[in-house]
Amino acid sequence: DAGITQSPRHKVTETGTPVTLRCHQTENHRYMYWYRQDPGHGLRLIHYSYGVKDTDKGEVSDGYSVSRSKTEDFLLTLESATSSQTSVYFCAISELDREQYFGPGTRLTVT
Amino acid sequence: KNEVEQSPQNLTAQEGEFITINCSYSVGISALHWLQQHPGGGIVSLFMLSSGKKKHGRLIATINIQEKHSSLHITASHPRDSAVYICAVRKGAGSYQLTFGKGTKLSVIP
Repeated sequence: DAGITQSPRHKVTETGTPVTLRCHQTENHRYMYWYRQDPGHGLRLIHYSYGVKDTDKGEVSDGYSVSRSKTEDFLLTLESATSSQTSVYFCAISELDREQYFGPGTRLTVT
Repeated sequence: KNEVEQSPQNLTAQEGEFITINCSYSVGISALHWLQQHPGGGIVSLFMLSSGKKKHGRLIATINIQEKHSSLHITASHPRDSAVYICAVRKGAGSYQLTFGKGTKLSVIP
């Protein structure tokens, strides 16, 4: 298995609070991704990174920001969590034009 | 209409049956991925292909670029194959983004 961890694995938070999810890799892959998975929608890309300090938006980026200060870490921040951001969040890594390897997921509940 | 459509949405099979899951897409692609997600959530990459056919154990993936269609076959199915199978496409060379189908839920009954 690719060395990808996500923390926390489960989180319950209240509407309006900030939340940061962490993705950590030990594979030295250049590309990192944050997805959310919701029933009826499948996986959707939130943000991705193509190098340290190089990030871009995906199809559902509103309400989310990311940072990548080191190759191994990619952080996803919800500045002010809303109930619509209740979801399962997956991090993934890859090299260019190669398979993506997924982390174990973080289940986030916003009450 | 979604750019990536999978069929069927749900599939129940008896152990030992030959299984086919289909994926159709409406955009030009540089590669197609098949993923497996077991109950409990972990997602595993099964195949990445841009032409022809790939085989790994009892799993076979094929793609027809002209018809914009791919199939995932499972031979001699087993209850441990029960999972959601997800098709995803990468739209162009150097593109970072994958567009996903909604998945096919497979249940294999002993």
